[in-house]
This record gives sequence, C-alpha cells and structure tokens, in this order.
Amino acid sequence: DQQVKQNSPSLSVQEGRISILNCDYTNSMFDYFLWYKKYPAEGPTFLISISSIKDKNEDGRFTVFLNKSAKHLSLHIVPSQPGDSAVYFCAASSSNTGNQFYFGTGTSLTVIP
Amino acid sequence: NAGVTQTPKFRVLKTGQSMTLLCAQDMNHEYMYWYRQDPGMGLRLIHYSVGEGTTAKGEVPDGYNVSRLKKQNFLLGLESAAPSQTSVYFCASSPSPRRRYYYEQYFGPGTRLTVT
Repeated sequence: DQQVKQNSPSLSVQEGRISILNCDYTNSMFDYFLWYKKYPAEGPTFLISISSIKDKNEDGRFTVFLNKSAKHLSLHIVPSQPGDSAVYFCAASSSNTGNQFYFGTGTSLTVIP
Repeated sequence: NAGVTQTPKFRVLKTGQSMTLLCAQDMNHEYMYWYRQDPGMGLRLIHYSVGEGTTAKGEVPDGYNVSRLKKQNFLLGLESAAPSQTSVYFCASSPSPRRRYYYEQYFGPGTRLTVT
C-alpha cells in the first residue's frame, strides 16, 4: 500500500511561471519530508526538506509547504526554468524509523521555453 | 570525490542466474541503502545498513541478500534471478543521525538489470 502518493504523473509549465508539485501521505507518524530531483540515467539528487515542526521551507527558487492536518505537501518552483525539467520525487520518514524512507511515484515536470 | 558509484551500469541475466551489485561511497557515510525503481512504483527500499557489519530489511527484501563487510561498500546479491527483479537499482548513502544532514541521501547513478 502506497504511503506516499504523487497523483500527477506529469506537469507542463511555461518558462518563468510557477510549477506546483503535490504530494500526499497517509502515515501520521511521518515527521520529515524531502524532495528529490532526477534526470534521466542519473540517480536522484536531494533538493529541499522540511520538518513537521515547520509549515514552510524556502531555498532560492524552491519552496516546500507542509499541511499536516491534510497530510499534504507541495513544492513550488518560481520562476520555472528549462533546466528544472526532470522527475521529482517526494519522500517521507518517521523519526521512529529514521532509516526508512518512503517515496512517491514521481512527477515528470517539463518546463517549456 | 566520486560520491556514490555503482557497478555494473547494465546487466542482462537469465532466470535462475545469480549476480552481485556493488555500491561504493567515499564520503565516510555510516548508512547505506539499496532501492529499486519500477514504473509507477517510485523507489522502494530493499535493504539498508546503519554501519559496517550490520544490515536490515526494508520494504521489499525478498529475493535479495546484502552484505556490508567494509564501511565504504554495500553489496546486493540476487541468488536466483527472476523476471520480477527486472528493475533499476539505486544505491544511496547518508551520514549518521549524529550529523547535521542525517536525512539527506546521496544516490548512485543506478544499475539497469533485465532478467529474461
């Protein structure tokens, strides 16, 4: 049973506009969330994270929002650039079992020049 | 630093054959992980290790074995390959909980395995 879900397999956005990628989770014990970016034929690379004690974390053009009551997080990319075209995975972990990470199925973002 | 490297990059096996995937990291990380990525399934944890000489099962451990004889290496073995093990395998490592970036994992480039 998928504990972390990304319901949008793909997303297309114009360059310069905002990209919003969504992620839902079912396990209320999750307290740390990460976003990874993956280019074809490469491994995922860490992008940004957020702890459950926060509802927002920002790093340059990337902002992650966490809504604990809705068990929902989102990644905002502003402004979107063609180099952002990649697959984005969200992942969640519990501090009780901090070694195990549960990944979503990924969203393929295409930024159109 | 090479980061996390994986050997081989590609492999084709016949059903019943065995093989070992090698993962090496040069960041002195305590934790290492093996994932598989399948279409529509995301990344799923197979096995992981919290230190040299220790291993533990992840989400999908059946059909795989692992060993961590040296801190920098984490081996994933398939004793009798099955078509259901056709996948892309990723190794990752991370610092221990004592360090600032505990939750950040560093991934290798992946191994594409096909079992016919």
